[in-house]
Amino acid sequence: QKEVEQDPGPLSVPEGAIVSLNCTYSNSAFQYFMWYRQYSRKGPELLMYTYSSGNKEDGRFTAQVDKSSKYISLFIRDSQPSDSATYLCAMSEATSYDKVIFGPGTSLSVIP
Amino acid sequence: EADIYQTPRYLVIGTGKKITLECSQTMGHDKMYWYQQDPGMELHLIHYSYGVNSTEKGDLSSESTVSRIRTEHFPLTLESARPSHTSQYLCASREGWQPQHFGDGTRLSIL
Repeated sequence: QKEVEQDPGPLSVPEGAIVSLNCTYSNSAFQYFMWYRQYSRKGPELLMYTYSSGNKEDGRFTAQVDKSSKYISLFIRDSQPSDSATYLCAMSEATSYDKVIFGPGTSLSVIP
Repeated sequence: EADIYQTPRYLVIGTGKKITLECSQTMGHDKMYWYQQDPGMELHLIHYSYGVNSTEKGDLSSESTVSRIRTEHFPLTLESARPSHTSQYLCASREGWQPQHFGDGTRLSIL
């Protein structure tokens, strides 16, 4: 079993929809949680990061962490065609901050 | 915003050649990383460095080597390229407790 599981999609939604992207993990020691966006032929771009449980909001993006369920989510409100990309979740332990474990990514297409 | 530059962006080369992938960052970050990414797959850490003269192997076994002679520069070298080395190579850096920031990668294809 992989440490981090993520539905690869592809996910296709109409413009303006609310998008929910999710990851599950098995290592209860993970404390840092990140979401990256990766456009085709580009490197991953950091969107949000959180420490431990709770919610964090930044504009149209909201990150949620539920450590009891080992489940993290990224919500995108009012999705735009420019949000079409692959979204990677990533996480690490507090004592192994250099060893970041990435999910395989979910491919999202927002249709105008 | 971190500025990380990787060159070349694309490289197609024959088997047996020596290859060096360049990575430079202008932020003065001590920590730098190399990842390998295949289509639809997770990023896998192959090398990292805590600073000048520091290099460590990552979780994914790799035939590549790295060096860190200057803070801003972290090149990756393949002494003899093989088709199995075909992949995308991503460089990243960070400072303190901030997450890693990535360059745009080098797409390597070995014929």
